Amino acid sequence: AQSVSQHNHHVILSEAASLELGCNYSYGGTVNLFWYVQYPGQHLQLLLKYFSGDPLVKGIKGFEAEFIKSKFSFNLRKPSVQWSDTAEYFCAVAGYSTLTFGKGTMLLVSP
Amino acid sequence: DTEVTQTPKHLVMGMTNKKSLKCEQHMGHRAMYWYKQKAKKPPELMFVYSYEKLSINESVPSRFSPECPNSSLLNLHLHALQPEDSALYLCASSHSKRDLYNEQFFGPGTRLTVL
Repeated sequence: AQSVSQHNHHVILSEAASLELGCNYSYGGTVNLFWYVQYPGQHLQLLLKYFSGDPLVKGIKGFEAEFIKSKFSFNLRKPSVQWSDTAEYFCAVAGYSTLTFGKGTMLLVSP
Repeated sequence: DTEVTQTPKHLVMGMTNKKSLKCEQHMGHRAMYWYKQKAKKPPELMFVYSYEKLSINESVPSRFSPECPNSSLLNLHLHALQPEDSALYLCASSHSKRDLYNEQFFGPGTRLTVL
C-alpha cells in the first residue's frame, strides 16, 4: 500500500519569502504524484502533477515541484509567495487504483 | 466540459432523515469516487465505482449507501446519520480506476451538517 508523509503541518511566511513544502511517499511500483491546494472555504484544486519525464514539474500560479526518485520525494516550491497563497496544501500519490493524500500543510502568508 | 458538479452545496439533516447527495461528470470518465473530508484533514476515500460497479468500499457504515445509475452520475444515499458524520463530502472522477495516468478531478463538495 502507498503512503504519503508531509513534513510540516503549519508553515507561516511573509509575502515574497520562498516556499518549500516537503513530501515523501512510499510505494513499490510506478507512481503518479500530485499536489492539490484547498483555499479557505473552497474545493480541492490540482496545482501540478508528475507522471513521467522531466522530474521538474511546473504547475499553476508559479508553483513547481521536483520528483527525486532516490529520495522518494516530491517537494513543492515557489520562489516568492503571496498573501493569496494562504491555503491548505496536500501531496498525494496514486498507485494501484487509489489516491492517497498526505495530512496536509496549512500555509499562512502574512502581508 | 472538465467539471465535476455536486448538489446540493449545503445540507442540514436530522438523524432520522433520509437524503441523497448527487454528483455528475460529463468527461467520459469511467471511475467515480466518494470522499469524506473533516475540517483541517485530508480527504478519506469512502467508495470507488469502476464502470458503474462498486469496486472499493473502505469499511464505510451502512448508513451511507452509494449508487451509480450510469457512467455520468453518482449518488450517495444517507439514512440515520450521526452528528459525527458532519463533513465535506467530495466526489471525484478519473478516466479509469487503473489508468496509469490516474488523475482525479474533484467536485466542490457538499457540506453536510447532521443535527
